[in-house]
Amino acid sequence: EVQLVETGGGLVQPGRSLKLSCVASGFTFNNYWMSWTRQAPGKGLEWVASITNSGGSTYYPDSVKGRFTISRDNAQNTLYLQMNSLRSEDTATYYCTREDWGRFAYWGQGTLVTVSS
Amino acid sequence: DTVLTQSPALAVSPGERVSISCRASEGVNSYMHWYQQKPGQQPKLLIYKASNLASGVPARFSGSGSGTDFTLTIDPVEADDTATYFCQQSWNDPRTFGGGTKLELK
Repeated sequence: EVQLVETGGGLVQPGRSLKLSCVASGFTFNNYWMSWTRQAPGKGLEWVASITNSGGSTYYPDSVKGRFTISRDNAQNTLYLQMNSLRSEDTATYYCTREDWGRFAYWGQGTLVTVSS
Repeated sequence: DTVLTQSPALAVSPGERVSISCRASEGVNSYMHWYQQKPGQQPKLLIYKASNLASGVPARFSGSGSGTDFTLTIDPVEADDTATYFCQQSWNDPRTFGGGTKLELK
């Protein structure tokens, strides 16, 4: 059974940093692209970042490019999201997702990030 | 960015057939996927590449379309299908989602 467990969310002040982690199990982690997708409270879904199975390439939308960094440790089956210069509009539940050829096939339970002073 | 437009809400009775539409602002080939999100839960993949049923998803769910117009159909609708349904495209960069259609049962 595929499991994705996110940790690291919490309350952070604007301009500060936060790092999310996601531990994966139930599949061969280094065979798959992985991604982060977020959902602001009561709102829709927004793709945040993707990383190839080797970690050699990363992709971001303009809304987070230059502020967020996705990375992975294939030896530890762990995905990360480093978030810098956080803004109030980054407040959301962040989901770790396994990306199968562009679709988000499996989702974690999510971790809530609140950016507020 | 490719904008995906969905109707905000629909209400149907159990046993009926419902179609949820998603229109893309530009062509996405067949790279449209559908998700179900129940209150308080994470989204779940239902349909991938327009018409392929994801693993474990009941055959009551089906998808169709190509280019810019896509449809998710549930037939028959059951009480457990109360949820918000999102479309998502992966043909154009960046990947984008529709705003979601909230399905309510009468």
